[in-house]
Amino acid sequence: EVQLVESGGGVVRPGGSLRLSCAASGFTFDDYGMSWVRQAPGKGLEWVSGINWNGGSTGYADSVKGRFTISRDNAKNSLYLQMNSLRAEDTALYHCARVSWVGAIYYWGQGTLVTVSS
Amino acid sequence: DIQMTQSPSSLSASVGDRVTITCRASQSISSYLNWYQQKPGKAPKLLIYAASSLQSGVPSRFSGSGSGTDFTLTISSLQPEDFATYYCQQSYSTWIFTFGPGTKVDIK
Repeated sequence: EVQLVESGGGVVRPGGSLRLSCAASGFTFDDYGMSWVRQAPGKGLEWVSGINWNGGSTGYADSVKGRFTISRDNAKNSLYLQMNSLRAEDTALYHCARVSWVGAIYYWGQGTLVTVSS
Repeated sequence: DIQMTQSPSSLSASVGDRVTITCRASQSISSYLNWYQQKPGKAPKLLIYAASSLQSGVPSRFSGSGSGTDFTLTISSLQPEDFATYYCQQSYSTWIFTFGPGTKVDIK
């Protein structure tokens, strides 16, 4: 059974940093690209960042470019999102997701909540 | 980045109605378009991938069409469990797979 379990969320002040982690199990992790998708309370889905199977190719939404860094450790079956210079508008539930070969997402984690507030 | 728009932003429909949701990309994305359904408090569910391929286990009343910049999700006969928010997503741009703003389908 595919499982994606996020951790690392919490309350942080504007300008602060957080590192999200996603522990993957139930599939061959380095066969798949991975992504982070967020959803602010009462709002729509927003693609945050994606990474290919070996970390050699990444992409970021304009809203987080230069502040967030996605990475993965295939030996640990883990995905990460380093978030710096956090803003109030980064407040959201952050989902880890497995990306299929056509870029679709079938498996989602339950999410970790990030709240940026003074 | 490629921008995605959806219309309408919301609609009211009755059980048994045929419902059509449109998604438009700011540039050609070939057939790299996926559709999701999301219910409150739940993770999104993949319905359609590659514009027109039905995900395994999804009822056949859901269908997708289109290519280039214009795409459509159709529900042929709306069922009570279909009241939800629907999102399109492009997967053409390398590792920046933008979502549309969503279409909320509720009960008339």
